[in-house]
Amino acid sequence: EPEVTQTPSHQVTQMGQEVILRCVPISNHLYFYWYRQILGQKVEFLVSFYNNEISEKSEIFDDQFSVERPDGSNFTLKIRSTKLEDSAMYFCASLKAEGNTEAFFGQGTRLTVV
Amino acid sequence: QKEVEQNSGPLSVPEGAIASLNCTYSDRGSQSFFWYRQYSGKSPELIMSIYSNGDKEDGRFTAQLNKASQYVSLLIRDSQPSDSATYLCAVKRGLSGGGADGLTFGKGTHLIIQP
Repeated sequence: EPEVTQTPSHQVTQMGQEVILRCVPISNHLYFYWYRQILGQKVEFLVSFYNNEISEKSEIFDDQFSVERPDGSNFTLKIRSTKLEDSAMYFCASLKAEGNTEAFFGQGTRLTVV
Repeated sequence: QKEVEQNSGPLSVPEGAIASLNCTYSDRGSQSFFWYRQYSGKSPELIMSIYSNGDKEDGRFTAQLNKASQYVSLLIRDSQPSDSATYLCAVKRGLSGGGADGLTFGKGTHLIIQP
């Protein structure tokens, strides 16, 4: 069964460093999303991406965040200068097209900023 | 500000009984409603989606939607220990679950099924 894959599963970085989280969405899906979940908190929407551009972003997705689809398969989230409060699980999700109901989530990347 | 509210629990239910999970949402423009199951340390897994008022059944799961009351619920019949997890209610503005809109999640209800 096709699935969304995320790498790495766990990333530890020093405060102020840049990190790139990687996702490979399901191959025929068109919409891509990043969510985050701080430990013990709710899952929060960060950004959606369609047709090689950002479709919608939340207040959380400020200038330190960026997304990119550098090739036909990868979808990345870059955090430019990490803060302690960026420590969270980051989930990538993809959706086939309008009219489909199910957004498939990847297994997540646990980001720890020290 | 879009809000989704759930009782955090824990909700403890004996094995074989019906578990009832509730959710309210603030954005009247919401048109798509979802229940996700999340095991500790894992990603959300879609259980049910519902778009129109009334009930929708899928196996042991029934989702109920009342847009006038801005209320969504999930019933789990014949609860099993493997159903023990956190259940997340999520809503979005977009029709039929697709599109650019992100999901707005509640904090989740921690469900414990007692053998």
